[in-house]
Amino acid sequence: GAVVSQHPSRVICKSGTSVKIECRSLDFQATTMFWYRQFPKQSLMLMATSNEGSKATYEQGVEKDKFLINHASLTLSTLTVTSAHPEDSSFYICSARPSLARSSYEQYFGPGTRLTVT
Amino acid sequence: QKEVEQDPGPLSVPEGAIVSLNCTYSNSAFQYFMWYRQYSRKGPELLMYTYSSGNKEDGRFTAQVDKSSKYISLFIRDSQPSDSATYLCAINTAAGNKLTFGGGTRVLVKP
Repeated sequence: GAVVSQHPSRVICKSGTSVKIECRSLDFQATTMFWYRQFPKQSLMLMATSNEGSKATYEQGVEKDKFLINHASLTLSTLTVTSAHPEDSSFYICSARPSLARSSYEQYFGPGTRLTVT
Repeated sequence: QKEVEQDPGPLSVPEGAIVSLNCTYSNSAFQYFMWYRQYSRKGPELLMYTYSSGNKEDGRFTAQVDKSSKYISLFIRDSQPSDSATYLCAINTAAGNKLTFGGGTRVLVKP
Protein backbone atom coordinates (compact mmCIF):
# COMPACT_ATOMS: atom_id res chain seq x y z
CA GLY A 1 0.00 0.00 0.00
CA ALA A 2 0.82 3.73 0.02
CA VAL A 3 2.04 3.98 -3.55
CA VAL A 4 2.61 7.29 -5.27
CA SER A 5 3.19 7.50 -8.99
CA GLN A 6 4.51 10.28 -11.17
CA HIS A 7 4.11 10.80 -14.87
CA PRO A 8 6.13 11.20 -16.95
CA SER A 9 9.26 9.72 -15.42
CA ARG A 10 11.42 11.63 -17.86
CA VAL A 11 10.69 14.52 -20.20
CA ILE A 12 12.74 16.64 -22.56
CA CYS A 13 11.27 19.89 -23.78
CA LYS A 14 12.39 22.95 -25.67
CA SER A 15 13.02 26.26 -24.01
CA GLY A 16 9.89 28.38 -23.85
CA THR A 17 7.41 25.50 -23.77
CA SER A 18 5.35 24.30 -20.81
CA VAL A 19 5.50 20.89 -19.19
CA LYS A 20 2.96 19.22 -16.92
CA ILE A 21 3.93 16.62 -14.33
CA GLU A 22 1.31 14.48 -12.62
CA CYS A 23 1.47 13.04 -9.12
CA ARG A 24 -1.05 10.39 -8.13
CA SER A 25 -1.70 8.54 -4.89
CA LEU A 26 -2.76 5.12 -6.13
CA ASP A 27 -4.26 3.44 -3.08
CA PHE A 28 -5.04 6.23 -0.65
CA GLN A 29 -6.54 9.69 -0.56
CA ALA A 30 -4.20 12.59 0.02
CA THR A 31 -5.50 15.93 1.20
CA THR A 32 -1.98 17.31 1.07
CA MET A 33 0.73 16.79 -1.50
CA PHE A 34 4.17 18.31 -1.64
CA TRP A 35 6.39 19.21 -4.58
CA TYR A 36 10.16 19.07 -4.24
CA ARG A 37 13.05 19.85 -6.51
CA GLN A 38 16.38 18.07 -6.33
CA PHE A 39 19.59 19.06 -8.08
CA PRO A 40 22.31 16.47 -8.70
CA LYS A 41 23.96 15.31 -5.47
CA GLN A 42 21.87 17.72 -3.46
CA SER A 43 18.97 17.32 -1.10
CA LEU A 44 15.29 17.82 -1.68
CA MET A 45 14.12 21.41 -1.60
CA LEU A 46 10.44 21.94 -0.90
CA MET A 47 8.83 24.08 -3.59
CA ALA A 48 5.21 24.13 -2.53
CA THR A 49 2.51 22.48 -0.49
CA SER A 50 -0.61 21.55 -2.37
CA ASN A 51 -3.97 21.18 -0.63
CA GLU A 52 -6.95 19.65 -2.36
CA GLY A 53 -9.48 22.26 -3.32
CA SER A 54 -7.42 25.27 -2.35
CA LYS A 55 -4.46 27.30 -3.57
CA ALA A 56 -0.99 25.93 -3.12
CA THR A 57 1.40 27.45 -0.61
CA TYR A 58 4.74 28.28 -2.19
CA GLU A 59 8.09 28.43 -0.43
CA GLN A 60 10.06 31.63 -0.44
CA GLY A 61 11.82 32.21 -3.73
CA VAL A 62 9.59 29.90 -5.77
CA GLU A 63 7.68 31.72 -8.52
CA LYS A 64 4.02 30.74 -8.35
CA ASP A 65 3.37 31.97 -11.88
CA LYS A 66 6.13 29.79 -13.22
CA PHE A 67 5.35 26.64 -11.28
CA LEU A 68 1.59 26.19 -11.44
CA ILE A 69 0.14 23.67 -9.05
CA ASN A 70 -3.33 22.20 -9.26
CA HIS A 71 -4.68 19.73 -6.67
CA ALA A 72 -8.07 19.04 -8.19
CA SER A 73 -8.84 15.73 -6.47
CA LEU A 74 -7.79 13.73 -3.44
CA THR A 75 -5.55 11.53 -5.57
CA LEU A 76 -4.05 13.89 -8.13
CA SER A 77 -1.84 16.95 -8.06
CA THR A 78 -0.16 18.47 -11.08
CA LEU A 79 2.86 20.73 -11.45
CA THR A 80 3.14 22.74 -14.65
CA VAL A 81 6.47 24.36 -15.45
CA THR A 82 5.57 27.29 -17.68
CA SER A 83 7.91 28.88 -20.21
CA ALA A 84 10.63 26.44 -19.26
CA HIS A 85 14.27 27.47 -19.37
CA PRO A 86 17.42 25.32 -19.18
CA GLU A 87 17.88 26.33 -15.53
CA ASP A 88 14.56 24.61 -14.76
CA SER A 89 16.17 21.29 -15.65
CA SER A 90 16.05 19.22 -12.50
CA PHE A 91 14.57 16.18 -10.76
CA TYR A 92 11.06 16.94 -9.52
CA ILE A 93 9.63 14.73 -6.77
CA CYS A 94 6.18 14.78 -5.23
CA SER A 95 5.02 13.30 -1.97
CA ALA A 96 1.55 12.65 -0.62
CA ARG A 97 0.26 12.65 2.92
CA PRO A 98 -2.70 10.33 3.55
CA SER A 99 -5.85 12.14 4.58
CA LEU A 100 -5.99 9.90 7.65
CA ALA A 101 -2.33 10.37 8.54
CA ARG A 102 -1.74 10.53 12.28
CA SER A 103 1.44 12.51 12.03
CA SER A 104 3.12 15.05 9.83
CA TYR A 105 5.99 12.68 9.15
CA GLU A 106 3.76 10.34 7.19
CA GLN A 107 4.49 11.17 3.57
CA TYR A 108 5.01 8.83 0.67
CA PHE A 109 7.22 9.88 -2.18
CA GLY A 110 6.81 9.39 -5.89
CA PRO A 111 9.63 8.07 -8.09
CA GLY A 112 10.44 11.50 -9.48
CA THR A 113 10.39 13.17 -12.89
CA ARG A 114 13.58 14.12 -14.67
CA LEU A 115 13.02 17.34 -16.64
CA THR A 116 15.56 18.44 -19.22
CA VAL A 117 15.03 21.76 -20.99
CA THR A 118 17.07 22.20 -24.16
CA GLN B 1 23.85 27.93 9.17
CA LYS B 2 21.62 25.27 7.64
CA GLU B 3 18.85 23.90 9.81
CA VAL B 4 20.02 20.35 9.18
CA GLU B 5 23.62 19.41 8.43
CA GLN B 6 24.70 16.09 6.98
CA ASP B 7 28.09 14.95 5.69
CA PRO B 8 27.72 14.35 1.93
CA GLY B 9 30.23 11.49 1.84
CA PRO B 10 30.74 9.37 -0.12
CA LEU B 11 31.11 6.75 2.58
CA SER B 12 32.65 3.55 1.30
CA VAL B 13 32.58 0.39 3.43
CA PRO B 14 33.21 -3.30 2.80
CA GLU B 15 30.29 -5.68 2.79
CA GLY B 16 29.36 -6.78 6.29
CA ALA B 17 30.66 -3.64 7.98
CA ILE B 18 28.56 -1.26 10.08
CA VAL B 19 27.53 1.92 8.32
CA SER B 20 27.30 4.94 10.61
CA LEU B 21 25.43 8.03 9.43
CA ASN B 22 24.58 11.20 11.31
CA CYS B 23 22.97 14.61 11.13
CA THR B 24 23.00 17.65 13.35
CA TYR B 25 20.21 20.18 13.60
CA SER B 26 19.86 23.63 15.04
CA ASN B 27 16.17 24.07 15.92
CA SER B 28 15.26 22.62 19.30
CA ALA B 29 11.58 22.66 18.26
CA PHE B 30 12.18 19.70 15.98
CA GLN B 31 10.56 16.61 17.41
CA TYR B 32 10.14 14.07 14.61
CA PHE B 33 13.22 12.50 13.09
CA MET B 34 13.21 10.40 9.95
CA TRP B 35 15.71 8.56 7.80
CA TYR B 36 15.07 8.02 4.11
CA ARG B 37 16.93 5.91 1.57
CA GLN B 38 17.13 7.12 -2.01
CA TYR B 39 18.45 5.06 -4.88
CA SER B 40 19.76 6.85 -7.94
CA ARG B 41 17.00 8.52 -9.96
CA LYS B 42 14.30 7.29 -7.58
CA GLY B 43 12.17 8.92 -4.93
CA PRO B 44 13.08 8.60 -1.24
CA GLU B 45 11.62 5.77 0.80
CA LEU B 46 11.11 6.01 4.54
CA LEU B 47 13.36 3.71 6.55
CA MET B 48 12.74 4.77 10.11
CA TYR B 49 11.17 7.49 12.18
CA THR B 50 11.37 8.36 15.84
CA TYR B 51 10.21 11.19 18.04
CA SER B 52 12.09 10.71 21.27
CA SER B 53 15.65 10.55 22.46
CA GLY B 54 17.16 7.09 22.58
CA ASN B 55 17.47 4.16 20.22
CA LYS B 56 15.00 2.48 17.92
CA GLU B 57 15.76 -0.77 16.12
CA ASP B 58 14.23 -2.28 13.02
CA GLY B 59 16.04 -5.28 11.65
CA ARG B 60 19.53 -4.23 10.60
CA PHE B 61 18.75 -0.56 11.17
CA THR B 62 19.11 1.42 14.40
CA ALA B 63 18.10 5.05 14.68
CA GLN B 64 19.50 7.08 17.54
CA VAL B 65 18.41 10.53 18.72
CA ASP B 66 20.17 12.77 21.22
CA LYS B 67 18.01 15.85 21.65
CA SER B 68 20.37 17.45 24.16
CA SER B 69 23.11 17.49 21.54
CA LYS B 70 20.74 17.95 18.58
CA TYR B 71 22.33 14.92 16.95
CA ILE B 72 20.72 11.98 15.18
CA SER B 73 22.31 8.82 13.82
CA LEU B 74 21.47 5.82 11.71
CA PHE B 75 23.42 2.59 11.93
CA ILE B 76 23.21 -0.18 9.38
CA ARG B 77 24.53 -3.55 10.56
CA ASP B 78 25.80 -6.30 8.28
CA SER B 79 25.77 -3.94 5.32
CA GLN B 80 25.01 -5.33 1.88
CA PRO B 81 25.82 -4.02 -1.61
CA SER B 82 22.07 -3.38 -1.97
CA ASP B 83 22.39 -0.81 0.82
CA SER B 84 24.40 1.37 -1.55
CA ALA B 85 22.29 4.50 -1.86
CA THR B 86 21.97 8.05 -0.59
CA TYR B 87 20.61 8.35 2.94
CA LEU B 88 18.73 11.47 3.90
CA CYS B 89 17.76 12.58 7.36
CA ALA B 90 14.59 14.64 7.66
CA ILE B 91 13.22 16.50 10.62
CA ASN B 92 9.89 18.06 11.50
CA THR B 93 8.19 19.84 14.34
CA ALA B 94 5.27 18.13 16.05
CA ALA B 95 2.73 20.51 14.59
CA GLY B 96 4.67 21.24 11.43
CA ASN B 97 3.61 20.47 7.92
CA LYS B 98 6.96 20.41 6.20
CA LEU B 99 9.97 18.14 6.32
CA THR B 100 13.41 19.71 6.47
CA PHE B 101 15.97 17.46 4.80
CA GLY B 102 19.68 17.09 5.30
CA GLY B 103 21.88 17.13 2.22
CA GLY B 104 22.15 13.34 2.10
CA THR B 105 25.10 10.99 2.52
CA ARG B 106 26.06 8.75 -0.35
CA VAL B 107 26.96 5.24 0.82
CA LEU B 108 28.79 2.62 -1.19
CA VAL B 109 29.00 -0.94 0.13
CA LYS B 110 31.66 -2.88 -1.72
CA PRO B 111 31.30 -6.66 -2.13
